[in-house]
Amino acid sequence: DTAVSQTPKYLVTQMGNDKSIKCEQNLGHDTMYWYKQDSKKFLKIMFSYNNKELIINETVPNRFSPKSPDKAHLNLHINSLELGDSAVYFCASSQEMGNSPLHFGNGTRLTVT
Amino acid sequence: SQELEQSPQSLIVQEGKNLTINCTSSKTLYGLYWYKQKYGEGLIFLMMLQKGGEEKSHEKITAKLDEKKQQSSLHITASQPSHAGIYLCGAVYSSASKIIFGSGTRLSIRP
Repeated sequence: DTAVSQTPKYLVTQMGNDKSIKCEQNLGHDTMYWYKQDSKKFLKIMFSYNNKELIINETVPNRFSPKSPDKAHLNLHINSLELGDSAVYFCASSQEMGNSPLHFGNGTRLTVT
Repeated sequence: SQELEQSPQSLIVQEGKNLTINCTSSKTLYGLYWYKQKYGEGLIFLMMLQKGGEEKSHEKITAKLDEKKQQSSLHITASQPSHAGIYLCGAVYSSASKIIFGSGTRLSIRP
């Protein structure tokens, strides 16, 4: 059973389009995250939700909007995609922020052409 | 400069040899995580360290946190091809705060 699953695995789209990435965790964790990994493998947090409430919102363009319908799901919607948005996006979850490890999904490789 | 530095950036090691990866923080750590990433996959949690001087082992991988809680090392003994991947350290600076990741160390094992 997959603990943290995100779809799609690959996403190729043109500039200006709107796309969504979905994430679900079956670990019963309270906190979920979106991380972005650039071409140099640098991993940076974008958002964090605890029990459907936004608790971390890093300096991310407004074109990125997370949505958490329930504590097991955290989706990421991106409007007006730009070339610089190309990266691998990872969803993760943890029981408690800071005191327990993150469990990561396998990532979504987004390519904007 | 970043508050969390990993070294080396990349490492090629002969199979069977030992190796060490370092993670240095400019501030005192609340906790330190080690993760491994294989190409096209997510990050796999290896170990978490919170106490100064703490050391943990899992199979042939040992991680240590220094007494000052500013530096951690990951040591692999008798490396195998399965150890190849990217190793990332993640720092937490207070309870209930986010994990900040280092830039990663790309490890290749030469047969």
